[in-house]
Amino acid sequence: DVKVTQSSRYLVKRTGEKVFLECVQDMDHENMFWYRQDPGLGLRLIYFSYDVKMKEKGDIPEGYSVSREKKERFSLILESASTNQTSMYLCASREAGDTQYFGPGTRLTVL
Amino acid sequence: AQRVTQPEKLLSVFKGAPVELKCNYSYSGSPELFWYVQYSRQRLQLLLRHISRESIKGFTADLNKGETSFHLKKPFAQEEDSAMYYCALSHSGYSTLTFGKGTMLLVSP
Repeated sequence: DVKVTQSSRYLVKRTGEKVFLECVQDMDHENMFWYRQDPGLGLRLIYFSYDVKMKEKGDIPEGYSVSREKKERFSLILESASTNQTSMYLCASREAGDTQYFGPGTRLTVL
Repeated sequence: AQRVTQPEKLLSVFKGAPVELKCNYSYSGSPELFWYVQYSRQRLQLLLRHISRESIKGFTADLNKGETSFHLKKPFAQEEDSAMYYCALSHSGYSTLTFGKGTMLLVSP
């Protein structure tokens, strides 16, 4: 059974802080993704990675960066958090030809 | 560019009534279509995908390339079907998904 875990369920940060969201998958998937989920906007892709040290911008990469140093771990970084980055953040992983498996989400509040 | 449209933000039905959640897509190539579901306080999970052509929890969805639609249907809704439903599209051979904005289904007793 695929397991995707995220480091925190809830996070509260202040404007300007650097924020790290961690995601780990245990199925040796090559592809990993970060989305944000907002009411009325659905899921929007921030960044994805198809291999270690590889990354591609999604639809809304501004204000975010990512890191993938190991195959199982994909980190999302908010260099300087802003209030408009308050959202639910979902991580997912996928093997080619298969479905995406999602983590439980991190609800981030930026004050 | 590929796009997924779910025209209804909210669909409210009574238990036992038929349900149809609409999904239309725009993509010029050969798409893969999915329905994902998120129950309250649970993670997003796959409900079904068009290539498997199976029924999950009584739900079915048929890909209509002529109408570019992939509507989700269930003949008799149950209260436990209440959830947020997302339609998603992937270009065959690519790993990324494009999601619709979601439809909240509420099934009342």
